[in-house]
Amino acid sequence: KAGVTQTPRYLIKTRGQQVTLSCSPISGHRSVSWYQQTPGQGLQFLFEYFSETQRNKGNFPGRFSGRQFSNSRSEMNVSTLELGDSALYLCASSTTGGRDSPLHFGNGTRLTVT
Amino acid sequence: DQQVKQNSPSLSVQEGRISILNCDYTNSMFDYFLWYKKYPAEGPTFLISISSIKDKNEDGRFTVFLNKSAKHLSLHIVPSQPGDSAVYFCAASVLGGGADGLTFGKGTHLIIQP
Repeated sequence: KAGVTQTPRYLIKTRGQQVTLSCSPISGHRSVSWYQQTPGQGLQFLFEYFSETQRNKGNFPGRFSGRQFSNSRSEMNVSTLELGDSALYLCASSTTGGRDSPLHFGNGTRLTVT
Repeated sequence: DQQVKQNSPSLSVQEGRISILNCDYTNSMFDYFLWYKKYPAEGPTFLISISSIKDKNEDGRFTVFLNKSAKHLSLHIVPSQPGDSAVYFCAASVLGGGADGLTFGKGTHLIIQP
């Protein structure tokens, strides 16, 4: 079974631009979560989607948004990029998002904002 | 305010010995705890979990201990092997289950020396 696939692996953007990151979950997984990893803050929860609906959201500004498609693929969008948005963005999928289905992470998209 | 703390950024252990990674938490609502392992350029992979109704969970060479009164958990790896060299993240989830997002510690870099 293929793992979680995130594209692109690397991105360089300029302040003020917007960016869209893509995530393809493991086949059969309906829950997709997004996390931001930075050296200073560690891994922080952004949001989680299940069956095209956002079920949970972390403490991030509205510039961070996402969506999930009917095939469970998910996209994350960041608008009006700031230097502090430079981070590794990790997508994780699970069957249900519940306790009995651990998260499976992709290898991440490294975003650099200049 | 960090709710999950891993106070040792790095730990060096000889091959064959026991590795003990520690994690403290402040939120008494956390009732489910997990450990993830991360190699460079890869996403975290799930290692082991424990519910707050237990004080110990074992899976092969990995054992997690939970001390609720001290709000402390630890991961024991016995015996340590070179392939165990990685960053280990402790994560916690609040009561209620579901995809309410995991709160991660900042990680401990475990180095297994030959």
